[in-house]
Amino acid sequence: AQSVAQPEDQVNVAEGNPLTVKCTYSVSGNPYLFWYVQYPNRGLQFLLKYITGDNLVKGSYGFEAEFNKSQTSFHLKKPSALVSDSALYFCAVRDNSSGTASKLTFGTGTRLQVTL
Amino acid sequence: KAGVTQTPRYLIKTRGQQVTLSCSPISGHRSVSWYQQTPGQGLQFLFEYFSETQRNKGNFPGRFSGRQFSNSRSEMNVSTLELGDSALYLCASSALGGGEQYFGPGTRLTVT
Repeated sequence: AQSVAQPEDQVNVAEGNPLTVKCTYSVSGNPYLFWYVQYPNRGLQFLLKYITGDNLVKGSYGFEAEFNKSQTSFHLKKPSALVSDSALYFCAVRDNSSGTASKLTFGTGTRLQVTL
Repeated sequence: KAGVTQTPRYLIKTRGQQVTLSCSPISGHRSVSWYQQTPGQGLQFLFEYFSETQRNKGNFPGRFSGRQFSNSRSEMNVSTLELGDSALYLCASSALGGGEQYFGPGTRLTVT
């Protein structure tokens, strides 16, 4: 079975400061990892993914994530936070041993609050 | 390209009724997945359809069902609604089954 843990319910950061949203995962095979963001009353927006290759993945809106296989982590980062980044962030995993089936397992979400 | 669309956006139903939700994927996407989002349980996978076949199913009772049409549009149906079915139902599509999924805005279902 696959699972995702987001240990922080909320992360608070001042605008202009770097931010990190943590994610750890568990899968039986090699992981496909994703980050999504959700704004109020909206669906999920895709930010970035890790499939294979370089451990540092760059995505939309200046976000990036670092894959660490030994720590089974995939933390989301941004060098300089904006107030408009305030939203709910979800980490998700898919076990690539499931072939092309699309079941994503999501973490519980981390609310990011960026203040002036 | 137009994004994933879901209809209706909001729905209010009474316990015991049934409901059908619709999802139109991004053009060219053949995989459609459905998720339920609630404050208590978070995001949970319902099922996935690919080329009109259910390929994956989550841990939900048989009251939850779905189908996919030849144009990749998908519907999900919930029969005998319960109060606990109140949730945001999200549809997602992907070009290949294993790629990133793109989500629609969701249907907010309220059961009274």
